Amino acid sequence: QLQLQESGPGLVKPSETLSLTCTVSGGSIRSGTYYWGWIRQPPGKGLEWIGSIYYSGRTYYNPSLKSRVTISVDTSKNHFSLKLTSVTAADTAIFYCARIIAAGTNWFDPWGQGALVTVSS
Amino acid sequence: SYVLTQPPSMSVAPGKTARITCGGNNIGSKIVHWYQQKPGQAPILVSYGDSDRPSGIPERFSGSNSGNTATLTISRVEAGDEADYFCQVWDNTGDHLYVFGTGTRVAVL
Repeated sequence: QLQLQESGPGLVKPSETLSLTCTVSGGSIRSGTYYWGWIRQPPGKGLEWIGSIYYSGRTYYNPSLKSRVTISVDTSKNHFSLKLTSVTAADTAIFYCARIIAAGTNWFDPWGQGALVTVSS
Repeated sequence: SYVLTQPPSMSVAPGKTARITCGGNNIGSKIVHWYQQKPGQAPILVSYGDSDRPSGIPERFSGSNSGNTATLTISRVEAGDEADYFCQVWDNTGDHLYVFGTGTRVAVL
């Protein structure tokens, strides 16, 4: 069964770069029928898509975050990563990674357990 | 950008039916997916492709979509259904945008 696990620092200082990695187990990130995505959820609030990547490296970003986001993939390690630059307290959130089923209309399944990242000095 | 609006909360008695709405401009022309999120847990998929159910999701969960409203219906509600529910659509234009609804907290009385 496919599983995803987020990892990275839980505390980032304002103006610095948030970095997270999502490790995929139980399946290959190179599968042609899937994309891989990042979603965030501020405490007590809703879900926001951050961006997505295909195993080839093709990326798609939320326009509201595009100037600060980079998503990359390492197929040899079966993981993909997120970098968010110039963070502020407003970026404090639980960050989830998820597999995206690409079937003419795309959805997220399954999700990782999530990683809380707090932006604070 | 496309906006999906859900009622913030609703309450339902055990054994009754919960209907969670997701409003969007001509949402019936898009395909809607639904997620359930229990406190402290990651979301899980409970409906995809407007009305399909992933394996392991009870038949009590069903989706529909028409006009300007998509609906997730939970029949014979149980205490374990208490959670936040989010709808989601995919914009298949160049930006490949994913839009989530605002979320509905369902309380089981």
